[in-house]
Amino acid sequence: DSGVTQTPKHLITATGQRVTLRCSPRSGDLSVYWYQQSLDQGLQFLIQYYNGEERAKGNILERFSAQQFPDLHSELNLSSLELGDSALYFCASSAVVGAYNEQFFGPGTRLTVL
Amino acid sequence: ILNVEQSPQSLHVQEGDSTNFTCSFPSSNFYALHWYRWETAKSPEALFVMTLNGDEKKKGRISATLNTKEGYSYLYIKGSQPEDSATYLCALRKRDDKIIFGKGTRLHILP
Repeated sequence: DSGVTQTPKHLITATGQRVTLRCSPRSGDLSVYWYQQSLDQGLQFLIQYYNGEERAKGNILERFSAQQFPDLHSELNLSSLELGDSALYFCASSAVVGAYNEQFFGPGTRLTVL
Repeated sequence: ILNVEQSPQSLHVQEGDSTNFTCSFPSSNFYALHWYRWETAKSPEALFVMTLNGDEKKKGRISATLNTKEGYSYLYIKGSQPEDSATYLCALRKRDDKIIFGKGTRLHILP
């Protein structure tokens, strides 16, 4: 158990809908990362937050947004869902930013869009 | 190289044998190189973070080296055991903090 929690574990929804995925980092970790893993792609970096501020943006679609709250938990919002958004979404956290930060991954949320 | 590439894609190794695989990455804009171990139905687990050219890291029977000038890292497993069966991912962290993962090397240990 990495100490990173994600809810829900599974989510099934329809095209066009909007969902929110939640992540609680390890106690004391200030940085949160979101990743997407779909069948035909490897792990894709979406976005990073550090202490409430956006720090780096990867391949995140405009239909997706995220935020990190004062208690350091983070939410990833996915809207106007398409079939291709079906994937495993991971959150990871690290204590600090910088080169040597070790990331701890949560168990993931499996999103299925029908 | 524009992306992070890992080879081989898949590898079968006899229990007790040693093995190694490669991660190649663009050397420009390099900040750090991460190795992860990912078992089926679990989450990726951090193995090493390396930043300096010539870095060598070791954790038990697993070790890694880094060459930032030529853009590659090797992961070595000595005396493979069944519990080493997993996908091994490398990820490049660039100076702008963006992270690019390779597609992984799937390692199968044969009893």
